[in-house]
Amino acid sequence: QVQLQQWGAGLLKPSETLSLTCAVYGGSFSGHYWKWIRQPPGKGLEWIGEVNYGGSTNYNPSLKSRVTISVDMSKNQFSLKLNSVTAADTAVYYCARDPERGGAYGFDIWGQGTMVTVSS
Amino acid sequence: QPVLTQPPSASASLGASVTLTCTLSSGYSNYEVDWYQQRPGKGPRFVMRVGTGGIVGSKGDGIPDRFSVLGSGLNRYLTIKNIQEEDESDYHCGADHDSGSNFVYVFGTGTKVTVL
Repeated sequence: QVQLQQWGAGLLKPSETLSLTCAVYGGSFSGHYWKWIRQPPGKGLEWIGEVNYGGSTNYNPSLKSRVTISVDMSKNQFSLKLNSVTAADTAVYYCARDPERGGAYGFDIWGQGTMVTVSS
Repeated sequence: QPVLTQPPSASASLGASVTLTCTLSSGYSNYEVDWYQQRPGKGPRFVMRVGTGGIVGSKGDGIPDRFSVLGSGLNRYLTIKNIQEEDESDYHCGADHDSGSNFVYVFGTGTKVTVL
């Protein structure tokens, strides 16, 4: 059974870089799209971006200038970097799998979520 | 890209039915929408995808039969029949938009369902 395990720093100061990694266990890394989504406290979900096994990326236009999503096929991992963070970036960050982008499965597997707080 | 609109809240008595609506912005009536359930303090869980013809593909793992979907015009509906306490959750809809040169995914603002 495929599982996603994510980790990264939970407390940042304004202007620092948020860095999270998500590892894929128990399944194939190739052939799928890998997503990052966030949820500010008490608010809805926001799609941050995606990467496929070949390293091709797409980003939320509102975050594109600050976001980098990358993949490490050798480790079955993908990562999120968000630079110049502010308090508005405080959120729970999730990684997720999209087994068939645009297909009928949605984001079928999610990581456990990482609370990231930006505070001086 | 589409905008997805959801009412902030809905409620139903235990055992009753509730229908949630996700409305696509004008011009996107052929779009399919994903529904996600998020229980308090938990991560989201895929429920199912819906288009104008109804469910697309199959339900997510462990989604009970009392969950069903319909699609009409700009609206995508999620109905929960015989609602149970464990159905009290936030429900989010989402849709992908591929312009050919760029891909984005958008979520609605979510509907909080309370079981009375």
